[in-house]
Amino acid sequence: QVQLVQSGAEVKKPGASVKVSCKASGYTFTSSDINWVRQATGQGLEWMGWINPNSGDTGYAQKFQGRVTMTRDTSISTAYMDLSSLRSEDTAVYYCLRHTVTADYWGQGTLVTVSS
Amino acid sequence: EIVLTQSPATLSLSPGERATLSCRASQSVSSYLAWYQQKPGQAPRLLIYDASNRATGIPARFSGSGSGTDFTLTISSLEAEDFAVYYCQQRSNWPRTFGQGTKVEIK
Repeated sequence: QVQLVQSGAEVKKPGASVKVSCKASGYTFTSSDINWVRQATGQGLEWMGWINPNSGDTGYAQKFQGRVTMTRDTSISTAYMDLSSLRSEDTAVYYCLRHTVTADYWGQGTLVTVSS
Repeated sequence: EIVLTQSPATLSLSPGERATLSCRASQSVSSYLAWYQQKPGQAPRLLIYDASNRATGIPARFSGSGSGTDFTLTISSLEAEDFAVYYCQQRSNWPRTFGQGTKVEIK
């Protein structure tokens, strides 16, 4: 079955960077994009960007341009989301997800806490 | 970017009642609109894609309609497990924006 398994919770200081991983299994990793979405506690969903695991092409929401980098390692079927210059407002659960025509597959979420 | 406005913010209903949720887009998204359900501590779950198609395994009491800028999610008869937050998302343009959510709570 399709699974996306994310790395564990992180605590970072303001100004630091965080790298969240998303390991895919149960399908051909290069066959569909991986998206990243975040959700602050008690808040709504915020789409951050996407990566095409086959080509490495990316697209980012303007809000995150210059601070986010999405990469992949096809040898281990893993996508990464790197967010730099962290501030308290970046405290959130970060999700990776894969869309297909009729279904979505979400990772379990990674809590990133930014605190001094 | 396309702004999605959901209404109402909160819907207070009893089990067995009909729920009607609205999502309005700031510009046309054709039929490229999805609906999600989210419960506390869980990832969102896709209910409807392309405005009116139920995702795999979604019960028939969930239905979606609309095109262009106005969309509706209808739950024909609320069951206990349907009390949750619902989000719409447009998949027409980048970035793939979400609405702010509608909470369906028990009256």
